[in-house]
Amino acid sequence: EVQLVESGGGLVQPGGSLRLSCAASGFTFSSHWMTWVRQAPGKGLEWVANIKEDGSEKYYVDSVKGRFTVSRDNAKNSLYLQMNSLRGEDTAVYYCVRSYSYWGQGTLVTVSS
Amino acid sequence: DIQMTQSPSSLSAFVGDRVTITCRASQGISNYLIWFQQKPGRAPKPLISGASSLESGVPSKFSGSGSGTDFTLTISSLQPEDFATYYCQQYYSHPITFGQGTRLEIK
Repeated sequence: EVQLVESGGGLVQPGGSLRLSCAASGFTFSSHWMTWVRQAPGKGLEWVANIKEDGSEKYYVDSVKGRFTVSRDNAKNSLYLQMNSLRGEDTAVYYCVRSYSYWGQGTLVTVSS
Repeated sequence: DIQMTQSPSSLSAFVGDRVTITCRASQGISNYLIWFQQKPGRAPKPLISGASSLESGVPSKFSGSGSGTDFTLTISSLQPEDFATYYCQQYYSHPITFGQGTRLEIK
């Protein structure tokens, strides 16, 4: 069974940093693109970033370029999102996604003073 | 960036009704389109990929059609569990983009 479990969310002040993790199991992690999608409270879905199977290609939505970094460790079956210079508009539930068919339960990031 | 525009933004219907939601892309995306259902507090659930292919385990009351720029999601014989928010998403090119969502409510 495919499982994606996010962690690392929480309350952070504007300008601060946070690192999200996603532990994957039930499939061959190194064979799949992985994606982060977020959803601000009461709002729609926003694709944030994705990363190729071997980490050689990464893509970001414009609003996070230069601030967020997606990475993966295939040996640990884990996906990461390093978030720096956080802003209030980054407040959202962050989902780890595989192939858009499998989604984690999400982790809430709140950026507030 | 490819803009995805859904209509309507909200929709009220009766149990048993058939409804159609449309999604328009700002440029051609072939059939690189997914439809999702999302209920409050839950992760989105994929219903249809490739514009018209039903995901495993999704009932056949859901159907998708379209190619290029215009797409539709049709739900037949609405049941209480179908009242949710629906999103389209293009995966033709980066950045991946979603429609703004269509909230389906019980009348």
